[in-house]
Amino acid sequence: SQQGEEDPQALSIQEGENATMNCSYKTSINNLQWYRQNSGRGLVHLILIRSNEREKHSGRLRVTLDTSKKSSSLLITASRAADTASYFCATDARGAQKLVFGQGTRLTINP
Amino acid sequence: GAVVSQHPSWVICKSGTSVKIECRSLDFQATTMFWYRQFPKQSLMLMATSNEGSKATYEQGVEKDKFLINHASLTLSTLTVTSAHPEDSSFYICSASWDRANEQYFGPGTRLTVT
Repeated sequence: SQQGEEDPQALSIQEGENATMNCSYKTSINNLQWYRQNSGRGLVHLILIRSNEREKHSGRLRVTLDTSKKSSSLLITASRAADTASYFCATDARGAQKLVFGQGTRLTINP
Repeated sequence: GAVVSQHPSWVICKSGTSVKIECRSLDFQATTMFWYRQFPKQSLMLMATSNEGSKATYEQGVEKDKFLINHASLTLSTLTVTSAHPEDSSFYICSASWDRANEQYFGPGTRLTVT
């Protein structure tokens, strides 16, 4: 399968704590993106990091990319109950337009 | 900007019938649209890529005669599930892109239930 791996598959933490999710992929990429999906809904684009970038911030989100290890991490700081959702990474292989999604992490923030 | 809509948001149909799902880019012209399928608690799997005015490119294992894709204009792509079976029940999500930089904008999804 070309799908990437994400870990953990499920994560449950208390509100206010930080949540870290990891993504590994298999091919050389142009970009890596992170998406959020609330139950039964569409995807919300969170952040895009290019292959020549190592770290990117957006509000409470911090994404890192290590192309030598073919891995990325998404950190959500000061989590809120509204952050409860599934989070997916997606990569586009060089020369290809399509996205390949990881298996996702189901994040639950307990009030 | 970059809003993508899908219609219907959910549909229930009987086994053996066909169902059409529409994907529209509302405020941009989409040269490429993508169709994904997502089973419960699983990730998105790309079914096919469609470019306006040309035949769709299907992923391995996706039956092109069962999942008919038409991308007749720069703002509309349709997915028709023909002779639907209960195992076709799934969440179908489209995305649209206007360039090759791979910014894809996703629709809200269509939940198909085949009884």
